[in-house]
Amino acid sequence: DIVLTQTPLSSPVTLGQPASISCRSSQSLVHSDGNTYLSWLQQRPGQPPRLLIYKISNRFSGVPDRFSGSGAGTDFTLKISRVEAEDVGVYYCMQATQNPATFGRGTKVEIK
Amino acid sequence: QVQLVESGGGVVQPGGSLRLSCAASGFTFSSYPMHWVRQAPGKGLAWVSIISFDGNNRYYADSVKGRFTISRDNSKNTLYLEMSSLRPEDTAVYYCARDYISDYWGQGTLVTVSS
Repeated sequence: DIVLTQTPLSSPVTLGQPASISCRSSQSLVHSDGNTYLSWLQQRPGQPPRLLIYKISNRFSGVPDRFSGSGAGTDFTLKISRVEAEDVGVYYCMQATQNPATFGRGTKVEIK
Repeated sequence: QVQLVESGGGVVQPGGSLRLSCAASGFTFSSYPMHWVRQAPGKGLAWVSIISFDGNNRYYADSVKGRFTISRDNSKNTLYLEMSSLRPEDTAVYYCARDYISDYWGQGTLVTVSS
């Protein structure tokens, strides 16, 4: 199975400041169809997960442009340009390139 | 708008069975693969199973293989998860999610396995 390693596991951030989360895969996430099925999900307290970014860098419908994704192959990053109070929660990377799909352990973003 | 509504959760004894449902609306259900993902209390997300758009291909996590069965009824726009030989470690909120990229998620249904 593909292992996704997220760092950091916790990220205290000052409001208005940037935040960055890394996701490293144990294998290349490039699918045979040429796509890289790496997504980023946000889970606010008490809520189900919500898709933010898919295929590395595509923002999902309704996602603010302060969220951006980048990377290739085995190394990926989610960036929040200016953290707002509503961004508090746990962020997961997920790969669906290979079955079984797998998730990172999650990064908790909280306000300092 | 896309909606996924899970149901069927509850309290069950170890060794028991349960069937979860996920009612889909707002999109052409028969065109999308669907996942089940679970989250144990206070823990992260864990993928459970996926079924292709036509139901012909199914994959399972090793932890549930042989005990859980994913299925779908495209005429009823509903996804299912039949769970048997349940264990305490299966206690979790179970979510259904649409497509390989999991673009839409339901609110989840809680399954508690306890004597």
